[in-house]
Amino acid sequence: AQKITQTQPGMFVQEKEAVTLDCTYDTSDPSYGLFWYKQPSSGEMIFLIYQGSYDQQNATEGRYSLNFQKARKSANLVISASQLGDSAMYFCAMREGRANSKLTFGKGITLSVRP
Amino acid sequence: NAGVTQTPKFRVLKTGQSMTLLCAQDMNHEYMYWYRQDPGMGLRLIHYSVGEGTTAKGEVPDGYNVSRLKKQNFLLGLESAAPSQTSVYFCASSQGLAAYNEQFFGPGTRLTVL
Repeated sequence: AQKITQTQPGMFVQEKEAVTLDCTYDTSDPSYGLFWYKQPSSGEMIFLIYQGSYDQQNATEGRYSLNFQKARKSANLVISASQLGDSAMYFCAMREGRANSKLTFGKGITLSVRP
Repeated sequence: NAGVTQTPKFRVLKTGQSMTLLCAQDMNHEYMYWYRQDPGMGLRLIHYSVGEGTTAKGEVPDGYNVSRLKKQNFLLGLESAAPSQTSVYFCASSQGLAAYNEQFFGPGTRLTVL
């Protein structure tokens, strides 16, 4: 069963506008962490933001925020004030809390920022 | 600190050839991982290590071997390369295995098997 689902097709956003990238997950473990990574065309994986399952507030890191809806098992990434440099592939990932658990990635979403 | 480094950055092999990818980290992390990334598939875990001298299978281990003789290095070997192993390979490391432990990624190795 797919643990991380990213089903949006390629996303487009106008520069300076906000955009939401969707991610849903599936786990029965009460302890887990959710991550978002950015992969620009140069290929490296860049960590953006983390949300823990027990965190009371939504995570924020600069222009990135995570809209965490635990009951719906969604962890959407919100990018405010989009910049041209935000054009990239974005991956949602989850790590469950049990020992030796691996990081499971979604298939990614391509975001293109239009000037 | 260099973080996580990978060598080589690019490689082209012929079917049946062997090679080793080297991953090195200078963050004193206990845990290291090898992933492969294919178009439309996201990243999939090949093998991982929870400490020096230990290795374990991930999601797609067939056709690969690994070794962790030193804490800072994690080697990925292909004994007899196949075209299906054409991919981008990422190494990563983390301080711990808890849900909150971020994984730090290397820049990737693009491998083509002809």
